[in-house]
Amino acid sequence: EAGVAQSPRYKIIEKRQSVAFWCNPISGHATLYWYQQILGQGPKLLIQFQNNGVVDDSQLPKDRFSAERLKGVDSTLKIQPAKLEDSAVYLCASSSWKGKNGYTFGSGTRLTVV
Amino acid sequence: KQEVTQIPAALSVPEGENLVLNCSFTDSAIYNLQWFRQDPGKGLTSLLLIQSSQREQTSGRLNASLDKSSGRSTLYIAASQPGDSATYLCAAHNQAGTALIFGKGTTLSVSS
Repeated sequence: EAGVAQSPRYKIIEKRQSVAFWCNPISGHATLYWYQQILGQGPKLLIQFQNNGVVDDSQLPKDRFSAERLKGVDSTLKIQPAKLEDSAVYLCASSSWKGKNGYTFGSGTRLTVV
Repeated sequence: KQEVTQIPAALSVPEGENLVLNCSFTDSAIYNLQWFRQDPGKGLTSLLLIQSSQREQTSGRLNASLDKSSGRSTLYIAASQPGDSATYLCAAHNQAGTALIFGKGTTLSVSS
């Protein structure tokens, strides 16, 4: 089966600019996750979708971050305006219902804010 | 609230050694536990998934164990190779339908 696709792979922007990341999960996976991984840290959940509904966005900085999953398939994560501390790798993952068979991660997008 | 800790943070070994990476979690009521590998600048590759009803899983030179009562999991790597050099992440899945919670990882370096 095809894996989780993410784009772009790398992005460099200036602070206060906006940026968007795209994710296409494994076909048939109902649950999609966005994680933020700061250098030297483990990934931290930003938002979890079940089909096209939000299950958990408690750690999403909603004043600058937004995410959507239209039609329960692809998802977009946006940052506006970006801050220096947003420099990180943004990972998308998907799982089948309730994650019984584990998670599959994409290659991530490395964001550098200068 | 589930917390996952991995020890050591970094480990250097010569090629051929057998080694153990440790993972501990505070809430023993987990749904499953997953070990990942991450190469520099890359995404996460799943290594082993242990369901809450299982005690261990094996894949090639890798063996992962799970002891829910003590809140611990170990990843055993046999006959380490330079290609095993990477960061290994442990992640606990608390309840069906909730998100994985990760440790900070153990960075392994295997020298030839």
